[in-house]
Amino acid sequence: QKEVEQDPGPLSVPEGAIVSLNCTYSNSAFQYFMWYRQYSRKGPELLMYTYSSGNKEDGRFTAQVDKSSKYISLFIRDSQPSDSATYLCAMRDDKIIFGKGTRLHILP
Amino acid sequence: GAVVSQHPSWVICKSGTSVKIECRSLDFQATTMFWYRQFPKQSLMLMATSNEGSKATYEQGVEKDKFLINHASLTLSTLTVTSAHPEDSSFYICSARVPGGGRETQYFGPGTRLLVL
Repeated sequence: QKEVEQDPGPLSVPEGAIVSLNCTYSNSAFQYFMWYRQYSRKGPELLMYTYSSGNKEDGRFTAQVDKSSKYISLFIRDSQPSDSATYLCAMRDDKIIFGKGTRLHILP
Repeated sequence: GAVVSQHPSWVICKSGTSVKIECRSLDFQATTMFWYRQFPKQSLMLMATSNEGSKATYEQGVEKDKFLINHASLTLSTLTVTSAHPEDSSFYICSARVPGGGRETQYFGPGTRLLVL
């Protein structure tokens, strides 16, 4: 079992919809959980990071961590075409481990 | 947020040649920088950790003699792919850790796309 599992998509949703992106992981030692956004042919951009379990909200983005289920989520409200990108989850204990990323398309 | 640049943004080279990629932190000093490689539709894989003034720490399976890393100043790290082969074609991304921040506060460069013919 890989340390971090993420559905690569692509995921296509209409503009304005709520988007739910998820990752599962196997290493219970992970304490920090991050979401990055990566546009085509660009480096990743840190969107949010969360320490341990719980929710964190920043504008249209909400990150959730459920350590008991080893499951993290990123919700995007009122999705926009500019949100179209690849979203990578990442988590760390000693080093950062990235998911493969989910390609998201917001349809105008 | 902090800005990290990379140069060049893309490079095409012949098999057997060496290619140098630069990573710069533009508005902060980074004692630690990281080099990643990303193949199409794959995750970022950490290659090595670059520490200013000391030798880089390489991840398992990464050949240190093939991927030479130099972190000569607090704002510059370089990755040299020596004797490049077509299988080295990939997207190379550096990141820099903001001083006082954990690994989660890394800022990434825009990446360098390498194509070896």
